[in-house]
Amino acid sequence: GAVVSQHPSRVICKSGTSVKIECRSLDFQATTMFWYRQFPKKSLMLMATSNEGSKATYEQGVEKDKFLINHASLTLSTLTVTSAHPEDSSFYICSASAPGTAGGTEAFFGQGTRLTVV
Amino acid sequence: DAKTTQPPSMDCAEGRAANLPCNHSTISGNEYVYWYRQIHSQGPQYIIHGLKNNETNEMASLIITEDRKSSTLILPHATLRDTAVYYCIVKAAGNKLTFGGGTRVLVKP
Repeated sequence: GAVVSQHPSRVICKSGTSVKIECRSLDFQATTMFWYRQFPKKSLMLMATSNEGSKATYEQGVEKDKFLINHASLTLSTLTVTSAHPEDSSFYICSASAPGTAGGTEAFFGQGTRLTVV
Repeated sequence: DAKTTQPPSMDCAEGRAANLPCNHSTISGNEYVYWYRQIHSQGPQYIIHGLKNNETNEMASLIITEDRKSSTLILPHATLRDTAVYYCIVKAAGNKLTFGGGTRVLVKP
């Protein structure tokens, strides 16, 4: 299947600093990418939809000024957690859709980024 | 997108087939059934999806009932590496994936 690469896999930062997470589609072009966060033993929660060349669409309750999303090319989307606080510590995961068989579109996921804010 | 219902957990024996049920009684005609799994501390992995017909690939088989109100994911020969949370998701093509609680599958030796 298609490959989505996420970087870094782990990051520890101090409170008040900003952290950037990259999501790349390696072998296909993705006009749309998605960002999720996941707390321990919980399911994935969709944060926002990243659209190439336009503003991201955020889910209800997600602060767009805190979680900045940029999708400058068809293969790269970035999520910046600004002024991070310990409660932002979480597992962040991106996905990108690629045209698949059987008529639907398949989403492929990055390996995730474990963010710890100290 | 239609809601799905899955058992929260299930155990299965290594080497045996694992049958994972999913109910989606409110599924619409244009909605597909997708299955993903998430191994601990990794991103979800696509397994299979289908619309009406049963589907099979190198990972699993997907059996969809004729009325499309339920489906079963079959892992033909479960291995210890199949221990994961399995998510059944129903959505129309192009819509975003929304994850429910999934089924926590534990494959035992």
